Amino acid sequence: DAGVIQSPRHEVTEMGQEVTLRCKPISGHDYLFWYRQTMMRGLELLIYFNNNVPIDDSGMPEDRFSAKMPNASFSTLKIQPSEPRDSAVYFCASSSGYANQPQHFGDGTRLSIL
Amino acid sequence: ILNVEQSPQSLHVQEGDSTNFTCSFPSSNFYALHWYRWETAKSPEALFVMTLNGDEKKKGRISATLNTKEGYSYLYIKGSQPEDSATYLCASDMDSNYQLIWGAGTKLIIKP
Repeated sequence: DAGVIQSPRHEVTEMGQEVTLRCKPISGHDYLFWYRQTMMRGLELLIYFNNNVPIDDSGMPEDRFSAKMPNASFSTLKIQPSEPRDSAVYFCASSSGYANQPQHFGDGTRLSIL
Repeated sequence: ILNVEQSPQSLHVQEGDSTNFTCSFPSSNFYALHWYRWETAKSPEALFVMTLNGDEKKKGRISATLNTKEGYSYLYIKGSQPEDSATYLCASDMDSNYQLIWGAGTKLIIKP
């Protein structure tokens, strides 16, 4: 059974460029979460979706960040324009939404903005 | 602000010794408590999800207990091995909205 799939695994780009991170959740999972891992703040929730609808985006750092989930099998996190302080590992996770079920994480995208 | 606290922040344990660490969470509106194991350069991996007061779960040498009335959970590792070295995260699900409130983790280092 395929897990959560994220792409790309690594992204290096110059400041000011648009960055798009992609996520395919586990089939049948109704919830999708975008997290960012930094040394300073650990694991931060950026936004999460339920049935493709954004529920809470209060963790999105600023307007340069946007996320979409056009269908149940795909989500994107976009940064435009990117800045060096956006450098981090970005994780996508999905869950079935039942109380006794965990979140399943993708392998993450390591983003470096030069 | 509702916080999930983990202690200690880091822990060095001799190989073969047993160890445990704590997760404290708000006991009001409790729905579920999650434990994850996070190895360096990998993604968090789910260990346990517990929902009922008094729950105990076990996976190999790792076990966890839950006290929802006082708001704490313990994670135990018996006979630590080098492969147990990782950061152990706990997270609380409040109000059944499936949004987890994460602790900062306990970094466990097993010394051979």
